[in-house]
Amino acid sequence: EAAVTQSPRSKVAVTGGKVTLSCHQTNNHDYMYWYRQDTGHGLRLIHYSYVADSTEKGDIPDGYKASRPSQENFSLILELASLSQTAVYFCASSSGTASAETLYFGSGTRLTVL
Amino acid sequence: QQKVQQSPESLSVPEGGMASLNCTSSDRNFQYFWWYRQHSGEGPKALMSIFSDGDKKEGRFTAHLNKASLHVSLHIRDSQPSDSALYFCAAPSNSGTYQRFGTGTKLQVVP
Repeated sequence: EAAVTQSPRSKVAVTGGKVTLSCHQTNNHDYMYWYRQDTGHGLRLIHYSYVADSTEKGDIPDGYKASRPSQENFSLILELASLSQTAVYFCASSSGTASAETLYFGSGTRLTVL
Repeated sequence: QQKVQQSPESLSVPEGGMASLNCTSSDRNFQYFWWYRQHSGEGPKALMSIFSDGDKKEGRFTAHLNKASLHVSLHIRDSQPSDSALYFCAAPSNSGTYQRFGTGTKLQVVP
């Protein structure tokens, strides 16, 4: 089965600090995604990428940056963490465009901003 | 902006019973859906996708799609306690480049 690994599993950050969440996939998938999960909002897309060195904005990109240095790795960066960014973050990958392909998710990173 | 809406928010069924979940999309460009299941502390995992009108059955799970109304349902027969989880419906975004998710239905199967 497709493997997507996220690190760290949980993190506590201070308001105004920088946070980097990492994702690694061994599926040889071209597409990678960062979703945020909040109670009552389901999963919302922050950024995605379909090729190395290129990223695209999703539905809620404000306050987040993304980096795709290689096909296997995709990072989410919070330059100035805020309380409202406390959430569970999921990375996912797919072999092709998500309009036709199943997403494979990692186990998530629980981020708490104090 | 396209919306994916799910109902009910939560659902409780007895063990061995039938659970029925619903989902609609507001975008007619892409008339197909996915169902994902998320157990507590884990990431979502795909259950099934449905691209054609009618029913698609996979084991105890049956999805039904009505393209005319952009409505899809998921029926779980002989529900088991291990089916207790958060169920998400997803549909392609307006651009077709990613999936948008509903807010989920929390299913509890009571022994």
